[in-house]
Amino acid sequence: GDSVTQMEGPVTLSEEAFLTINCTYTATGYPSLFWYVQYPGEGLQLLLKATKADDKGSNKGFEATYRKETTSFHLEKGSVQVSDSAVYFCALSDLQGAQKLVFGQGTRLTINP
Amino acid sequence: DAGVIQSPRHEVTEMGQEVTLRCKPISGHNSLFWYRQTMMRGLELLIYFNNNVPIDDSGMPEDRFSAKMPNASFSTLKIQPSEPRDSAVYFCASSLIGGNTEAFFGQGTRLTVV
Repeated sequence: GDSVTQMEGPVTLSEEAFLTINCTYTATGYPSLFWYVQYPGEGLQLLLKATKADDKGSNKGFEATYRKETTSFHLEKGSVQVSDSAVYFCALSDLQGAQKLVFGQGTRLTINP
Repeated sequence: DAGVIQSPRHEVTEMGQEVTLRCKPISGHNSLFWYRQTMMRGLELLIYFNNNVPIDDSGMPEDRFSAKMPNASFSTLKIQPSEPRDSAVYFCASSLIGGNTEAFFGQGTRLTVV
């Protein structure tokens, strides 16, 4: 079945550092790919998405590019802030009819001032 | 829009008791999902509905779990009897049918079974 694998956390960085969180997927079809963010005590919020190969999703300084050849959707940000501290989830949605989201295990990010 | 609304936010119950979690999806959405989040297993899809009809309940852990969606604006997840290993955060999410659309999540119900 479909699956998502994220780099293991936790990840701790200093403010203004460069961030990469790796995500790879396995899917039989051509899924849509998502990054969700979960702040402490809250539900998940969509951060960005990409629906086809070579699409780049971006939001709040975060970017991720849908790479079909490497089945990857790595999350990047050039300069992180303390407010970016959260848990980040990579996910895919099967376009072949199942439509449900399959999540990676999540990566906890802590940014120190 | 108020977003996806879940109740209660926190629930503490004794082992063996029945627990009912509630969800009101975003108005106009026609897909609804129940997820469970634990440290050990991460986010797991329990069941989802399209147009109030259960489509995939393969993630429901066992017969003690049941979910209903009597109408487009309300769903319940029931655990009877509850066990300590059911302790988790349960999220409800809703979306429009179609793979490109995002799912909107509620704030979750933190269930503790003692």
